[in-house]
Amino acid sequence: SAVISQKPSRDICQRGTSLTIQCQVDSQVTMMFWYRQQPGQSLTLIATANQGSEATYESGFVIDKFPISRPNLTFSTLTVSNMSPEDSSIYLCSAGRPEGLNEKLFFGSGTQLSVL
Amino acid sequence: GENVEQHPSTLSVQEGDSAVIKCTYSDSASNYFPWYKQELGKRPQLIIDIRSNVGEKKDQRIAVTLNKTAKHFSLHITETQPEDSAVYFCAASKTGNQFYFGTGTSLTVIP
Repeated sequence: SAVISQKPSRDICQRGTSLTIQCQVDSQVTMMFWYRQQPGQSLTLIATANQGSEATYESGFVIDKFPISRPNLTFSTLTVSNMSPEDSSIYLCSAGRPEGLNEKLFFGSGTQLSVL
Repeated sequence: GENVEQHPSTLSVQEGDSAVIKCTYSDSASNYFPWYKQELGKRPQLIIDIRSNVGEKKDQRIAVTLNKTAKHFSLHITETQPEDSAVYFCAASKTGNQFYFGTGTSLTVIP
């Protein structure tokens, strides 16, 4: 498996501010993704973090709201910008470790965000 | 993108009984199907997976079956134990692409 460190583990933020979440993987990985998980809900893919190029966003998520950086093969950040209470959720970083033709996906411990 | 549906959303079984969770997917190009277990307040953990060139895979008390023609796959847990209580997610992916998750099944094993 991959060891994925994510921080902060939780934060309480004021409306209108921004929070940057960091994700560090213990070895180089090709694929990194950011997911959002609202309480009692499934994992919704926000975007694929591409190394050296702009992230690929899923429908309903935009770069201005969720800018993502991926400066190298082991690190990525997700910023939640201009936050509102609707952004309160758990944000999960994930990385794919290749095995054969596919990648096995592993998760960071998550960032629990509460917006007041 | 891929659409993954999962049933049931909640499942209660007596300890020692079997539990079955089913998922369907929409993209016939998906070729990898992992299952994750998420305990309360923790990250999802990969418990078993199956590739499209295999019909069934077993690991101790858990097994996964795949029907490519019907585009559905299932998780089977036998001899359930209280520590199996958790939320289980199925997912679908294709080589080099994103992972899409089902809506989750909350499994409760009653001692």
